[in-house]
Formats: sequence, structure tokens, C-alpha cells
Amino acid sequence: QKEVEQDPGPLSVPEGAIVSLNCTYSNSAFQYFMWYRQYSRKGPELLMYTYSSGNKEDGRFTAQVDKSSKYISLFIRDSQPSDSATYLCAMSGETDSWGKFQFGAGTQVVVTP
Amino acid sequence: EAQVTQNPRYLITVTGKKLTVTCSQNMNHEYMSWYRQDPGLGLRQIYYSMNVEVTDKGDVPEGYKVSRKEKRNFPLILESPSPNQTSLYFCASSPLPGQNLYEQYFGPGTRLTVT
Repeated sequence: QKEVEQDPGPLSVPEGAIVSLNCTYSNSAFQYFMWYRQYSRKGPELLMYTYSSGNKEDGRFTAQVDKSSKYISLFIRDSQPSDSATYLCAMSGETDSWGKFQFGAGTQVVVTP
Repeated sequence: EAQVTQNPRYLITVTGKKLTVTCSQNMNHEYMSWYRQDPGLGLRQIYYSMNVEVTDKGDVPEGYKVSRKEKRNFPLILESPSPNQTSLYFCASSPLPGQNLYEQYFGPGTRLTVT
């Protein structure tokens, strides 16, 4: 079983809708949670990261972490066709796993005009 | 322009022929890492380096070598490539210390095919 599970999609939504993405994980040592966006034929780029539990908002993007359920989410409000990409969650711990990252498989999102 | 560069971008080779994929960053970052990306498996970490002369294994290090002799460069070496190493490879870097570690900047990727 993978440490990080993510539905591969594709997830198709109309322009202006809210996109909801999530990942589940099994390693309770994870403390840092990241979301990356990857356009076709490009490297991933960091969207947001959060430490431990709670919410974080940045413009149209909101990241949530629920450590008790081992579940993280990313919401994209007022989605645009330019948001069409693959979204990857990533996680990391502290101390002896410093520098190691676990990624989900990625969810492909398609926003239709 | 701040960036991570990888060369070559595309490579087709044969089983057993040693190859090196170069990675260079111009942001004076301490941390560098290599990943491979395969359909359905996402990004998997091969090796990472917290600083010059310091490297550690990720989740899938078998069949790969790395070295970090200079801060800006982190080459990935395949001594005897096999078809199961056919993949899309990404190099990444990030600043240290503390939480900046999580701001990884990725290169454009190297698509490797081993026949």
C-alpha cells in the first residue's frame, strides 16, 4: 500500500466551479503538506504548503489538513481553463526523515469554458 | 533567471550503456533532489542532498548513483541502465534552512528511454 493515495481523475468541471482535490496518507509522522501543479510537459511548481493541521488560503486556493483523519484537501475557487493541469500532493516528516518527500500519483483536472 | 536546468531533455539509449543526466541550479540552494515520474505512480524520490558531499537515499535508489561535489550541480548516474529505468526524471532544489526546504523548484524534466 502506498503511503500517499490520490485519485488520478480526470476531474472535469465547468469554468467558475469549485475544484475539490484530496489525498489520504498512512504515515502519522508527516508534518508538512504540499500541493504542486504540473502542466503538461513541464516540471511541478509549488502552489502551497502547510505545517501540521489547519487551513491556509492564498487567493483562489485553500489547503486544508486534517491530521486526525490523515486527509488533506485543496480547493480551487472560481476555476479557470488555465487551472487545467495535474495536481500533486506531497508530504514530509521531520527529524530522521528530513529531506524525504512522498508524492501522490496526481489528479488531472480539466476546466471547460 | 532563477532556474533548475537538466540535460539532456530527451535520451534514448540501450541496456547497459552508462549515462549521466546533469542538473544545475543558479539559486545558491543547499538542497537538491532527484525524482522519477511514472504513470499511476507519481513522483518517487531517488536521492537527495542536503549539502555538498552529503547525499541520502530516497525511496527508489537502486540502479542509480549521485554525487554532489559542487553546490550548484547534482548529476544522476545510471551505471548500467535497464528498461525498467525508462521514465521521466526531474531534478529539484530548495533553500535551507527550516521551512524553506519545502519550496522545491523543479527542472523541466528528462525523458529517458532504455531499449
